[in-house]
Amino acid sequence: GQQVMQIPQYQHVQEGEDFTTYCNSSTTLSNIQWYKQRPGGHPVFLIQLVKSGEVKKQKRLTFQFGEAKKNSSLHITATQTTDVGTYFCADPKGGAQKLVFGQGTRLTINP
Amino acid sequence: DTAVSQTPKYLVTQMGNDKSIKCEQNLGHDTMYWYKQDSKKFLKIMFSYNNKELIINETVPNRFSPKSPDKAHLNLHINSLELGDSAVYFCASSQLAVSPLHFGNGTRLTVT
Repeated sequence: GQQVMQIPQYQHVQEGEDFTTYCNSSTTLSNIQWYKQRPGGHPVFLIQLVKSGEVKKQKRLTFQFGEAKKNSSLHITATQTTDVGTYFCADPKGGAQKLVFGQGTRLTINP
Repeated sequence: DTAVSQTPKYLVTQMGNDKSIKCEQNLGHDTMYWYKQDSKKFLKIMFSYNNKELIINETVPNRFSPKSPDKAHLNLHINSLELGDSAVYFCASSQLAVSPLHFGNGTRLTVT
């Protein structure tokens, strides 16, 4: 079935560098959710974006929702080792009453 | 207080066996889910229940049978386990369907 496409699949950065992961959909999204999963852990909800062009910040994390509501991004400024993990976007398919996850971007950091 | 708890955390078993995973949430949510995460970290929905009623059965083999005795519990029974069933299984809950999910800690199932 249709799902959001997330890139890159892997990203390795030096501590202090920035990081961005992108989600793209071929259809308009009603909203989009972002989750973080630490190694060995479970996905944890970070944020939900609803409005076209919306930008939200959580400390060093900046989330954007595209104007056409077909793409979204998560940007981390000046990564720290605590940012290590897999970041997922998720498409709430309201009509189907299910949350469909992107493939995730696994972030590793060289201290 | 653990919001979504699932047991066991690890499950190692042989092919052909039957096993169960239990999940409980104390958040008062109406909807519960089972997700499967494979070795590539891909998260795929298996089932969802709303107030004990099955809403989604995502083309999962019928060896997998969920059961929701009440809206706070959703268990997963797996018959005739196969090697390909090895994965991490996450239980989750949400207030409404497609509301943000609260995940349990996961059950790592290894079939040998």
